[in-house]
Amino acid sequence: AQKITQTQPGMFVQEKEAVTLDCTYDTSDPSYGLFWYKQPSSGEMIFLIYQGSYDQQNATEGRYSLNFQKARKSANLVISASQLGDSAMYFCAMRSGNQFYFGTGTSLTVIP
Amino acid sequence: SAVISQKPSRDICQRGTSLTIQCQVDSQVTMMFWYRQQPGQSLTLIATANQGSEATYESGFVIDKFPISRPNLTFSTLTVSNMSPEDSSIYLCSVEVFADRGEKLFFGSGTQLSVL
Repeated sequence: AQKITQTQPGMFVQEKEAVTLDCTYDTSDPSYGLFWYKQPSSGEMIFLIYQGSYDQQNATEGRYSLNFQKARKSANLVISASQLGDSAMYFCAMRSGNQFYFGTGTSLTVIP
Repeated sequence: SAVISQKPSRDICQRGTSLTIQCQVDSQVTMMFWYRQQPGQSLTLIATANQGSEATYESGFVIDKFPISRPNLTFSTLTVSNMSPEDSSIYLCSVEVFADRGEKLFFGSGTQLSVL
């Protein structure tokens, strides 16, 4: 069964606007971690944000915030005030047990 | 966090040759991971490398094809042996860092491999 689902293969956003990238997950572990990574065309995987399953508040890191809805098992990434440099692939990931699981990614294009 | 230096950043290789990818971490870590990302795909775990023991390979990956060394707590290498065009991928090393809010996975800059 797929552990991480990203249903948006591609997204477009106007520069300076906000965009939400969707991610749902599946686990029966009570303790898990959720991550978002950015992968530009250079290929590196850049850590953006982390949310622990027991964290009461949604994680925020600068222009990135994670909309964590535990009951719905969703962990959407919100990027505010999009910049041209935000154009990249974005991967949602989960640590559950001793494993890391990755989604299939969403390609974000920021339009000037 | 952890700073991970990975090299080479990219290479173009001939079929049948081998390439060794190096990964250096700025701190001691217990577990290092090697991932493969085929074009347009997500990440697939190749193996987990612990210092002082044999690497643990995931289904579909074998030591003869992807030998791994882990001589100390800050360094690891992955060799892609007897390469074919199907090995053209991005290869990424990563480390797990334990922080007060949980474990986090950080990646090296990746190696873009093209096999002709």
